[in-house]
Amino acid sequence: GESVGLHLPTLSVQEGDNSIINCAYSNSASDYFIWYKQESGKGPQFIIDIRSNMDKRQGQRVTVLLNKTVKHLSLQIAATQPGDSAVYFCAGPMGGTSYGKLTFGQGTILTVHP
Amino acid sequence: KAGVTQTPRYLIKTRGQQVTLSCSPISGHRSVSWYQQTPGQGLQFLFEYFSETQRNKGNFPGRFSGRQFSNSRSEMNVSTLELGDSALYLCASSLSPDTQYFGPGTRLTVL
Repeated sequence: GESVGLHLPTLSVQEGDNSIINCAYSNSASDYFIWYKQESGKGPQFIIDIRSNMDKRQGQRVTVLLNKTVKHLSLQIAATQPGDSAVYFCAGPMGGTSYGKLTFGQGTILTVHP
Repeated sequence: KAGVTQTPRYLIKTRGQQVTLSCSPISGHRSVSWYQQTPGQGLQFLFEYFSETQRNKGNFPGRFSGRQFSNSRSEMNVSTLELGDSALYLCASSLSPDTQYFGPGTRLTVL
């Protein structure tokens, strides 16, 4: 069935380290994927997205890699800061008639230690 | 440009009551999607509206309904509330079909 999953539920890093959060998906028909950051008590905040015709996209301190062969994407955060501590979700429209419907992974809890 | 706004931010209701939540999308966005977020089920899609029409619906009972107005503002209604309806209800807007931007959510507690 359609799903977006994450390899690890938690990730703990030291301030200044680089963080990598992984995500696997099952439906090849998705046109794009999105990474969101959600802090406690807040709604998901858009970080970066990537279209299916791209392999890599960079933002400010973040890079998303898309490997369509193995249906895998990752979010890399450079020089992780305590303010990056949050839950990170990958999401995507899972093909077919999916107007406005994003399927989310379970989330990875990122904890950054000063 | 202002982000997605949701009102109220917090709500406490008792079983059997009904509730209406409101969402104002980003200016120019005509697509509004609603999600329910719980610790056990994560983020689950409720429905999506575009130009006052519901185009997509998730697997929720008929007690959950919504509508969209001509200015793209949207409301969702839950009737006959159950304890299990306690959740964070999130609204997201987009230039359909495209990346969705979320509001802060409405925290609903059903007692």
